[in-house]
Amino acid sequence: NAGVTQTPKFQVLKTGQSMTLQCAQDMNHEYMSWYRQDPGMGLRLIHYSVGAGITDQGEVPNGYNVSRSTTEDFPLRLLSAAPSQTSVYFCASSDSDRPYEQYFGPGTRLTVT
Amino acid sequence: DAKTTQPPSMDCAEGRAANLPCNHSTISGNEYVYWYRQIHSQGPQYIIHGLKNNETNEMASLIITEDRKSSTLILPHATLRDTAVYYCIVREYNFNKFYFGSGTKLNVKP
Repeated sequence: NAGVTQTPKFQVLKTGQSMTLQCAQDMNHEYMSWYRQDPGMGLRLIHYSVGAGITDQGEVPNGYNVSRSTTEDFPLRLLSAAPSQTSVYFCASSDSDRPYEQYFGPGTRLTVT
Repeated sequence: DAKTTQPPSMDCAEGRAANLPCNHSTISGNEYVYWYRQIHSQGPQYIIHGLKNNETNEMASLIITEDRKSSTLILPHATLRDTAVYYCIVREYNFNKFYFGSGTKLNVKP
């Protein structure tokens, strides 16, 4: 199993550009989440999903959209990038029987100039 | 959601036990205590969780006080690879909407 994969690993955007961060998992997990981590800070929840077709907002959802059309994929879209969105983005998944045991991807380091 | 308080940093000598405290004085009866750690810039890793009894697994032990207002994560024989930020999280069981605080940076020194 590859676990949780994220692409790209690094990305530089200009202010106002849009892009999609990809996240995929091959563990058939129902739950998936997106977090951001700013330098020296803990993780903050952006959006999460408890199954295909079901998403909800986390702590810091503004400026981001998500959708969950399949169990495997949970892309995060930045609508109009801003310097405040410079961060490391982590995707995580967990099984509904053990929802607390989240498996994290390697992260995407995003810089917005 | 119950709020947690952790010291920002701690040091531990290699081979000794590392005891990481967490205060959660507003915890409610159906909330569990979860511990994760984040090594360098990797994604966090689940360690252990508990409700009111002490728990032990291959990675660590979790001691929860009788009143459940605080807990301690114990790494029995810390190694340099245990240097990481450790997060204490309090949440209900069947709810994966986790909020990570700032955690405790554990420095294991030779």
